[in-house]
Amino acid sequence: QVQLVESGGGVVQPGRSLRLSCAASGFTFSSYSMYWVRQAPGKGLEWVATALYYGDNKYYPDSVKGRFIISRDDSMNTLYLQMNSLRVEDTAVYYCARDSFGDSTNWFDPWGQGTLVIVSS
Amino acid sequence: DIQMTQSPSSLSASVGDRVTITCRAGQSIRTYLNWYQQKPGRAPKVLIYAASNLQSGVPSRFSGSGSGTDFTLTISSLQPEDFATYYCQQSYSTFKTFGQGTKVEI
Repeated sequence: QVQLVESGGGVVQPGRSLRLSCAASGFTFSSYSMYWVRQAPGKGLEWVATALYYGDNKYYPDSVKGRFIISRDDSMNTLYLQMNSLRVEDTAVYYCARDSFGDSTNWFDPWGQGTLVIVSS
Repeated sequence: DIQMTQSPSSLSASVGDRVTITCRAGQSIRTYLNWYQQKPGRAPKVLIYAASNLQSGVPSRFSGSGSGTDFTLTISSLQPEDFATYYCQQSYSTFKTFGQGTKVEI
């Protein structure tokens, strides 16, 4: 079955870096766009990054643009999120999610279980 | 960015009630609207895609409607397992955005 497993979360000081990984299985990873979505404690969902399956197209919201880098290794079926210059407000559970599509649209499905990042001094 | 606004932010309901949650987009997004359910400590899961299409495996008591800027998620008869937080999300833009969530409580 389709499975996404995140890792790499932890406690990090403000200004430092952290890299998250998402190991994918059960589908042809190279044929799907992938996403990172985060959720601060007690808050809602926020899309963080997109890596399309074709070309080198990547997208970010303004809140992380210039600090976060999404990448993928199709040979290893793994998605990454390099997070630099971390801020206290980046504290959240980070989920990776696969693109699903139909009826000319797309959505996030499935999701991994999430990995917690705490930015604190 | 396209702003998504849900209402209400929370609601109290009983088992068997009909529940309606609304989502308004800051501009027309046609039917590029998805609904998710999230339970505490769990990842979200998709219920409805493209405004009105029921995801495989989701009970038929869930339904979605709307187009343009105004959308609705309806639970026809609330069940104990439906107490959760619900989010709308637009996929019209490359820059995805979610509503702030609606918590359905007993």
